[in-house]
Amino acid sequence: SQKIEQNSEALNIQEGKTATLTCNYTNYSPAYLQWYRQDPGRGPVFLLLIRENEKEKRKERLKVTFDTTLKQSLFHITASQPADSATYLCALDSGGGFKTIFGAGTRLFVKA
Amino acid sequence: GAVVSQHPSWVICKSGTSVKIECRSLDFQATTMFWYRQFPKQSLMLMATSNEGSKATYEQGVEKDKFLINHASLTLSTLTVTSAHPEDSSFYICSSSEDRGQAKNIQYFGAGTRLSVL
Repeated sequence: SQKIEQNSEALNIQEGKTATLTCNYTNYSPAYLQWYRQDPGRGPVFLLLIRENEKEKRKERLKVTFDTTLKQSLFHITASQPADSATYLCALDSGGGFKTIFGAGTRLFVKA
Repeated sequence: GAVVSQHPSWVICKSGTSVKIECRSLDFQATTMFWYRQFPKQSLMLMATSNEGSKATYEQGVEKDKFLINHASLTLSTLTVTSAHPEDSSFYICSSSEDRGQAKNIQYFGAGTRLSVL
């Protein structure tokens, strides 16, 4: 069956460190993969999109990698800040490119 | 980026009543809008895809008579939860994307609507 797996356990890190979140998927062949941030009681906010032919993408303190062989994406936040505390969702297209399927998200806590 | 406005943000209603949620694209035209439902600590579950000027496409297991979707213009889609019951209590979120180039892959979400049915 098709699955998108993100670590359900919360990630706790110290301010200034690099946070690394993992997204694994099975039985999908996405053309692209996205990461979103969701704060409690709010809708998700788009962060980054990476295509299947791209290995890595960066935006300010954010970096995303996409390994289609491992079927995995890693999401890094460098020099993390307490304001980075949120749930981060991985999302990929369902193959037809029209629907986006979301993982359950990983909750990140950055301690000052 | 594109802005999607959703309201109300929070609604409490009695069992058996109907609730309408609006989703508007403020600075772009949205041919397609998506409606999601999210339970605490769970993933966004796609309920239906709303298409301007035509019938919505519902995901398997979603009752179309229960969750009525209307997309009458390029900037407005509505979701009506009919005869709501406590099990319909959830967080409902809409999204859309711009119909151009790479932007069409990026979804812009509304702030969500917390529905509590008593």
